[in-house]
Amino acid sequence: EIVLTQSPGTLSLSPGERATLSCRASQSVTNSYLAWYQRKPGQAPRLLIYGASSRATGVPDRFSGSGSGTDFTLTISRLEPEDFAVYYCQDYGSSPYTFGQGTKVEI
Amino acid sequence: EVQLVESGGGLVQPGGSLRLSCAASGFTFSSYDMHWVRQAPGKGLEYVSAISRDGGSTFYATSVNDRFTVSRDNSKNTLYLQMGSLRTEDMAVYYCARAKQLGLWYFDLWGRGTLVTVSS
Repeated sequence: EIVLTQSPGTLSLSPGERATLSCRASQSVTNSYLAWYQRKPGQAPRLLIYGASSRATGVPDRFSGSGSGTDFTLTISRLEPEDFAVYYCQDYGSSPYTFGQGTKVEI
Repeated sequence: EVQLVESGGGLVQPGGSLRLSCAASGFTFSSYDMHWVRQAPGKGLEYVSAISRDGGSTFYATSVNDRFTVSRDNSKNTLYLQMGSLRTEDMAVYYCARAKQLGLWYFDLWGRGTLVTVSS
């Protein structure tokens, strides 16, 4: 079973700043089948990135994903007020399709 | 509007049963594999179960295997999760989710979740 470790646990930033979130896998992720989600309190999770670097429909281009193998990164180039949320990565390349524990981006 | 709406959560005693539902609207439900994901209080997301478009294939996480049963009614655009022999560690918000691509289990549409509380 692949374990995904996200860091940092909490990222304290201001609007306009750049956010860099890390997701490290205990084994290589098959075909870079790595997704990123955003979750805000009381809202449904939102798909941001799939295939490590492909933006989902409607996701602003300030969100970008990169990486391969065991190291992946979600970058938010310039934080907007609505971007403060918890972000999760997911390995969908192999069962049991684990999620990371999340990174909270706070003001 | 394209959406998923879960229902059926509530308080149940350890060892009890509960059935969750997920009503889909705004898209062709029968064209998508569907999934359940949960989040326990203070913890991360955990994958629970999957069902194929036609309901012919199912998958369960080890933690719920033999206790939970996933099903769907494509005529009613509804996904179900029958949960039995519930344990305190099953207490979580349960989300239903749609797989964006056939055979690839990442999710482009989620519901807001329904809370299951397991307590005596």
